[in-house]
Amino acid sequence: DTAVSQTPKYLVTQMGNDKSIKCEQNLGHDTMYWYKQDSKKFLKIMFSYNNKELIINETVPNRFSPKSPDKAHLNLHINSLELGDSAVYFCASSLWTAIPETQYFGPGTRLLVL
Amino acid sequence: GIQVEQSPPDLILQEGANSTLRCNFSDSVNNLQWFHQNPWGQLINLFYIPSGTKQNGRLSATTVATERYSLLYISSSQTTDSGVYFCAVGRAGNNRKLIWGLGTSLAVNP
Repeated sequence: DTAVSQTPKYLVTQMGNDKSIKCEQNLGHDTMYWYKQDSKKFLKIMFSYNNKELIINETVPNRFSPKSPDKAHLNLHINSLELGDSAVYFCASSLWTAIPETQYFGPGTRLLVL
Repeated sequence: GIQVEQSPPDLILQEGANSTLRCNFSDSVNNLQWFHQNPWGQLINLFYIPSGTKQNGRLSATTVATERYSLLYISSSQTTDSGVYFCAVGRAGNNRKLIWGLGTSLAVNP
């Protein structure tokens, strides 16, 4: 049973297209995250939702729009894809308690924009 | 914002060797996690360790919060330990945001 799953695992698309990545977790967590990992392996938080409420919104182009229909799902829609969007996108989840908790990561979605 | 520095950036070991990876951070934290990214890209949480010492098999970690550093020890390394090791930290009141180091890339040769 996969704890945090993402679809698709690979995405190859043309510049200018619109695409979505989906994430689901079955850990009963209430907080979910989107990270971007660039070609140099640097990881950066993009968004975070706690109980469907957006709580972290880093400096990310407006072309990126997250949506959390419920606590177990967090999707990422990207409009007008650009070459620089090519990266690995990771979804993660954790519990929100009085102290920070371990984050669990999905397998990543490898996006290549041509 | 808080800075996270990891050293060394690259490390090559022979199977069976021991190693120590270091993570320095520039401000007080209430959240510190070590992750391993294997050669297939999967990120696995190794330790949640904002202070103190923890052990899990051949791996152990120590964080000295007052001196703003954490160490990850790998003993009797195996080829499956290869990959990138990341340290990530977070501060109180920051919505659980993690700031990541650049990682230590480890290659264990048979």
